[in-house]
Amino acid sequence: SYELTQPPSVSVSPGQTASITCSGYKLGNRYASWYQHKAGQSPILVIYQSTKRPSGIPERFSGSNSGNTATLTISGTQAEDEADYYCQAWDSTTLYVFGSGTKVTVL
Amino acid sequence: EVQLLESGGELVQPGGSLRLSCAASGFTFDDYAMHWVRQAPGKGLEWVSGITSSGGHTYYADSVTGRFTVSRDNSKNTLYVQMNGLRAEDTALYYCAKRRADSSNDFDFWGQGTLVTVSS
Repeated sequence: SYELTQPPSVSVSPGQTASITCSGYKLGNRYASWYQHKAGQSPILVIYQSTKRPSGIPERFSGSNSGNTATLTISGTQAEDEADYYCQAWDSTTLYVFGSGTKVTVL
Repeated sequence: EVQLLESGGELVQPGGSLRLSCAASGFTFDDYAMHWVRQAPGKGLEWVSGITSSGGHTYYADSVTGRFTVSRDNSKNTLYVQMNGLRAEDTALYYCAKRRADSSNDFDFWGQGTLVTVSS
């Protein structure tokens, strides 16, 4: 089965840049999506097709995807960005796959 | 405004059954595939099941295949999942999610979730 691996946690100071990685076999050949999930709320799609932002998502959120790694970058991180972030991709065998999730802490 | 409202979650004994519903509004329901995604306590997101816009094709994670059945009633703008043979490991918050576009494999709107607890 296809798997996506994320670091359990990332810490960032307000105003700095947070980078969250997602690793999977030849992930760069697939589209990666990213979701922000705050406790008690619904997940929000922040990046789709590896690099695109849905309407309403701040420009500080960006994505890249190459080789075996997709990356979500939050530039000028704000306190409100503190949340769990999940990557997701599609595989022909496993179908919809989520990463293990990364807790972003804004210190 | 897109809204997805799940219901039906409750405490059920191991081996029991439950049907969850997801009432959709704010978009043309029968134009979009719909999915169920769950989150067990302290765990990450896990895709559970999906159904095409017409209901003609259904898809399941290995962990629920043979026990869960997804369906939809486009006349009622409602998505369902029938869960049989429930196990402790099925305990989770169940979200319904809308596929973003016909050619996409991501989810642009999610409900608030309904809690299923499997315990004796």
